[in-house]
Amino acid sequence: KAGVTQTPRYLIKTRGQQVTLSCSPISGHRSVSWYQQTPGQGLQFLFEYFSETQRNKGNFPGRFSGRQFSNSRSEMNVSTLELGDSALYLCASSLGRPTDTQYFGPGTRLTVL
Amino acid sequence: DQQVKQNSPSLSVQEGRISILNCDYTNSMFDYFLWYKKYPAEGPTFLISISSIKDKNEDGRFTVFLNKSAKHLSLHIVPSQPGDSAVYFCAVSPYSGAGSYQLTFGKGTKLSVIP
Repeated sequence: KAGVTQTPRYLIKTRGQQVTLSCSPISGHRSVSWYQQTPGQGLQFLFEYFSETQRNKGNFPGRFSGRQFSNSRSEMNVSTLELGDSALYLCASSLGRPTDTQYFGPGTRLTVL
Repeated sequence: DQQVKQNSPSLSVQEGRISILNCDYTNSMFDYFLWYKKYPAEGPTFLISISSIKDKNEDGRFTVFLNKSAKHLSLHIVPSQPGDSAVYFCAVSPYSGAGSYQLTFGKGTKLSVIP
């Protein structure tokens, strides 16, 4: 069974631009969660989608948004990029029940210049 | 305000000995507890979990202990192997009414197992 895939793996953008990251979950998984990892803050929850609906949202500004498609693939968008958005963005998929294991992808490394 | 704390940024252990990684949390509403490990350039990999109704869960060389009164979680690895060298994250979650959970992670402990 293929794991969680994320594209692109690396991205360089400049301040003010916007960026879209993509996540393909494990086949059969309907839940996709997004996390931001930075050296200072660690791993922080961004949001979770289940069956194309956002079910949970973390404490991030509205510049961070996402969506999920009918095939469970998910995209995350960050508008008006700031230097502080430089981070590793991880997505995780699961079957979607509270105790189902979340399986993480390798992440997208975003650098904002 | 950190809700989940891993107070040891790093830990070195001799191969074959026990590794003990610790985690403290502040919110008694947390109901489900997990450990993940992470190698460089890879996403975190699930290791082991425990729900609040238990105080111990074992899976091979890995055992997680939960002390709810102390709001403390620990991971024991016995015996430690060089391949266990990685960053270990503890994660906690409340059960949410929406039927999902969101994980709050500690900042990780880097374990080095010395051959």
